[in-house]
Amino acid sequence: NAGVMQNPRHLVRRRGQEARLRCSPMKGHSHVYWYRQLPEEGLKFMVYLQKENIIDESGMPKERFSAEFPKEGPSILRIQQVVRGDSAAYFCASSPIDRGSHQPQHFGDGTRLSIL
Amino acid sequence: AQSVTQLGSHVSVSEGALVLLRCNYSSSVPPYLFWYVQYPNQGLQLLLKYTTGATLVKGINGFEAEFKKSETSFHLTKPSAHMSDAAEYFCAVRPLYSGNTPLVFGKGTRLSVIA
Repeated sequence: NAGVMQNPRHLVRRRGQEARLRCSPMKGHSHVYWYRQLPEEGLKFMVYLQKENIIDESGMPKERFSAEFPKEGPSILRIQQVVRGDSAAYFCASSPIDRGSHQPQHFGDGTRLSIL
Repeated sequence: AQSVTQLGSHVSVSEGALVLLRCNYSSSVPPYLFWYVQYPNQGLQLLLKYTTGATLVKGINGFEAEFKKSETSFHLTKPSAHMSDAAEYFCAVRPLYSGNTPLVFGKGTRLSVIA
């Protein structure tokens, strides 16, 4: 059983470029969450999606960041015109169809984004 | 809003000693509670969770946690530390009956195990 798959594992971009991070949830999971982890901080929620719908984007910066989870294919977190402060580890998590809030989330190994 | 406090960003123990990692939540209604472990350059792995019922929860790798409503705590323990336990540990909460809402994480505690 494949877990949550994220790619790339490491991504290097220059300031002003675009970064695209991909996440394929576990089989049978229809909820995807993106979190950002900065050094010495915990995971900060960014966005919660179901297929073709953004459920909660309250943690997403208002500019340059966007996310999607299309009907077919992985979820994409897109960062336009990256800046040094975007350097972080970005984690994707998934959970199954709503069976109650006791369901844990399953995490991928993350994408480590470095901005030169 | 829910919040989680993990007391001690770094904890160091000797191999074979007791591990105690602290987690307190802020909520008048006890939430669902989770402990995750993160090894270097990896994602988070679920150690254990508390939903309802027995307040002492056993997880993987010999870890357990006890839910104490009166103290709003969910501390993680292991009787005897092993070198392989060195990692970062995160406590997380989710309100009861909130569906699949995102987890709220503490800032994490880095555990070092000294030989």
